[in-house]
Amino acid sequence: RKEVEQDPGPFNVPEGATVAFNCTYSNSASQSFFWYRQDCRKEPKLLMSVYSSGNEDGRFTAQLNRASQYISLLIRDSKLSDSATYLCVVPANTGGFKTIFGAGTRLFVKA
Amino acid sequence: EPEVTQTPSHQVTQMGQEVILRCVPISNHLYFYWYRQILGQKVEFLVSFYNNEISEKSEIFDDQFSVERPDGSNFTLKIRSTKLEDSAMYFCASLGGRASGELFFGEGSRLTVL
Repeated sequence: RKEVEQDPGPFNVPEGATVAFNCTYSNSASQSFFWYRQDCRKEPKLLMSVYSSGNEDGRFTAQLNRASQYISLLIRDSKLSDSATYLCVVPANTGGFKTIFGAGTRLFVKA
Repeated sequence: EPEVTQTPSHQVTQMGQEVILRCVPISNHLYFYWYRQILGQKVEFLVSFYNNEISEKSEIFDDQFSVERPDGSNFTLKIRSTKLEDSAMYFCASLGGRASGELFFGEGSRLTVL
């Protein structure tokens, strides 16, 4: 299994749709997980942190399944402005503060 | 809002030349990083830096790369002899503490090697 693996997409959804992305990770010792958003040719920006079973922030919900080693990101009521690449990020827990980025899932929200 | 700043935003260089990319992390942060993103590809970890030394580096970070924080403010990435395949966006990031987990990224320095 890759260290962090994501479905690359792209996901093409209409405005108002609900869309979910999954991310699997290989290091069972990982304790914290993150979803970042990256717009085209821009820097990644933190969207959500996940430390326990899940986290919710408005239209965004992140869930963690430790047994299956995956985290998910659910976006409800998609907006045009949600179009971006969503990056799953997991600390490597190698003692050197390395963090590993998934390849990202591209989302296109259309009017 | 505090931010990570990077210079230059874009640099074009000839193969074999030395390049220095500069970053000013958020002032009270403790952990500093360089990442690389080749166009259309994933964000790749290069190196992490803590307590004035490298804490971890990836296989990409070979002898051609070096980092330093010479004055307690700037955090630099040097590529001694650039190759065509070094063309990428280089992101600097800083982390306040391991508990927070949030990496703050600069806007990136785009390096084009001709």
